[in-house]
Amino acid sequence: SAVISQKPSRDICQRGTSLTIQCQVDSQVTMMFWYRQQPGQSLTLIATANQGSEATYESGFVIDKFPISRPNLTFSTLTVSNMSPEDSSIYLCSAWTGGSYEQYFGPGTRLTVT
Amino acid sequence: AQKVTQAQTEISVVEKEDVTLDCVYETRDTTYYLFWYKQPPSGELVFLIRRNSFDEQNEISGRYSWNFQKSTSSFNFTITASQVVDSAVYFCALTFNTGGFKTIFGAGTRLFVKA
Repeated sequence: SAVISQKPSRDICQRGTSLTIQCQVDSQVTMMFWYRQQPGQSLTLIATANQGSEATYESGFVIDKFPISRPNLTFSTLTVSNMSPEDSSIYLCSAWTGGSYEQYFGPGTRLTVT
Repeated sequence: AQKVTQAQTEISVVEKEDVTLDCVYETRDTTYYLFWYKQPPSGELVFLIRRNSFDEQNEISGRYSWNFQKSTSSFNFTITASQVVDSAVYFCALTFNTGGFKTIFGAGTRLFVKA
């Protein structure tokens, strides 16, 4: 299994600023992902965080807006850049442990942009 | 196309009733994984069950049971004798490896269990 922590758990930010969300897994994992959950909606995959290389973004998400780092097998960051109220969402980090075929989720970061 | 459909947006039941949440999926992959997650009002995602495409054995775990049928591309979830604490949003999800390893989620079904 894997336990995932995220920081911050929530934040209120001003329009035009940026926020970096940290994701820490308690064990080395094969893959890490970032999801967005807009209010009352389902989860949408933003990108796959690749260790040591550029993230792979899904359609509708770009690196300039959501830069992602993954320097090692247990840690990743997601930055939400130049924020607008439309970016108000829960951002969830996820990890896939290939051996057990389980996908684990962090508790989420609740972002409000004013 | 890779897709997960949860046609039921909201379901409301009275405590102790049985309730089934429907999930229909589409995938081109022959190897894939199906999941159910629960998201209570607190917001965290709680893993309930995983099934891989080679395992159609249905499962019962306490008050929960799952019915996986490849012939109809369905992975339905039943709660027996529902309780107020079961009130949550339930997501069905599909993991596949075409075009990159990824998971897609259904829209979710919001379950209200009234006392």
